[in-house]
Amino acid sequence: NAGVTQTPKFQVLKTGQSMTLQCAQDMNHNSMYWYRQDPGMGLRLIYYSASEGTTDKGEVPNGYNVSRLNKREFSLRLESAAPSQTSVYFCASSEERNQPQHFGDGTRLSIL
Amino acid sequence: EDQVTQSPEALRLQEGESSSLNCSYTVSGLRGLFWYRQDPGKGPEFLFTLYSAGEEKEKERLKATLTKKESFLHITAPKPEDSATYLCAVHITAQKLVFGQGTRLTINP
Repeated sequence: NAGVTQTPKFQVLKTGQSMTLQCAQDMNHNSMYWYRQDPGMGLRLIYYSASEGTTDKGEVPNGYNVSRLNKREFSLRLESAAPSQTSVYFCASSEERNQPQHFGDGTRLSIL
Repeated sequence: EDQVTQSPEALRLQEGESSSLNCSYTVSGLRGLFWYRQDPGKGPEFLFTLYSAGEEKEKERLKATLTKKESFLHITAPKPEDSATYLCAVHITAQKLVFGQGTRLTINP
């Protein structure tokens, strides 16, 4: 029972490089989310997708783009990575927007 | 501004020593409050949802309660495997979930 799967688990980038974080869920959930977790800041919402075909900005969207590829998959792209984007990134999904969210185990991203 | 504050930041207990974690919130409208457990290197794991003042939920050694201004996570006779960071999150709008910074709980054998 995989739940929410994120790849890669770890990544080191140089400033200015781009990359895409992948997320897939097998729970047939409608809504998906991307968060970042930084020490002392708690989890902050970057983007979310309420349903297949829709995406919306969260609290900290600058420097990121997302794609809801299908009902299962929701990717997060950093076009030109900056050191301030060093963080742990979590993907989550929920059956509907007001239901409990279920999280993956995160991608630890370092930008040098 | 919507705010969720958890206290204490860290708590060390001896095995079997009961205690409570606090989550206080000042938000424009509460649609629900969630408690999560997070182990090192893992994502948050959902524990409870509370929707209205007076509501209580229990799971093994954990009990969550809710008032109009705060929630408590009571842990009874904890074991070392209960060591983790406990997060609370308040659902304000359909998509907005505001997280507290967590309480890091350590249970010594």
